[in-house]
Amino acid sequence: DAGVTQSPTHLIKTRGQQVTLRCSPKSGHDTVSWYQQALGQGPQFIFQYYEEEERQRGNFPDRFSGHQFPNYSSELNVNALLLGDSALYLCASRRTGENTEAFFGQGTRLTVV
Amino acid sequence: SQQGEEDPQALSIQEGENATMNCSYKTSINNLQWYRQNSGRGLVHLILIRSNEREKHSGRLRVTLDTSKKSSSLLITASRAADTASYFCVSFKGGGNKLTFGTGTQLKVEL
Repeated sequence: DAGVTQSPTHLIKTRGQQVTLRCSPKSGHDTVSWYQQALGQGPQFIFQYYEEEERQRGNFPDRFSGHQFPNYSSELNVNALLLGDSALYLCASRRTGENTEAFFGQGTRLTVV
Repeated sequence: SQQGEEDPQALSIQEGENATMNCSYKTSINNLQWYRQNSGRGLVHLILIRSNEREKHSGRLRVTLDTSKKSSSLLITASRAADTASYFCVSFKGGGNKLTFGTGTQLKVEL
């Protein structure tokens, strides 16, 4: 079992550009969430996808959008990048249920210059 | 989900000693989970304790949960240099996958 995989691992973008990050959930998991982690902070919830729909959203602007595919994989898109978007972006997957663990990928380190 | 707040913010111990981290949360929960993060990379799930459990063990880890005090503790026994990491507790109350993290406890285990 490959666990949660994210790509790419590192990315450098210029302010104003757009970026797409990808996540493949752990086998058997159907719910995917995305988190942003700034340096020295805990991860902040961006949004969650289940059954190809956004189910919950954190306090992030509309520049942050996502998608979930029929195979449960997911993408995070960020438009009009700002310097402040530089962070580690983490994907987490879990199997729907009340007492199931969330497993995280290794993250994508995004640097906006 | 409700925020877990870890205490202390930083902890430095010698290899072989025990490390204890505490966590508080605000409202009723379904479960509480502890995660470890090495050097700003992915989070590793350590242990999940359900609201009807008081104590749980996994290898060198011991987690307690006191729902009356809305608090939890993580004990790492016989610590190793490889345990050096940030540790987060996350309380979870059904209805989605929103895990709310605090800033964590930064544990440093020195040789």
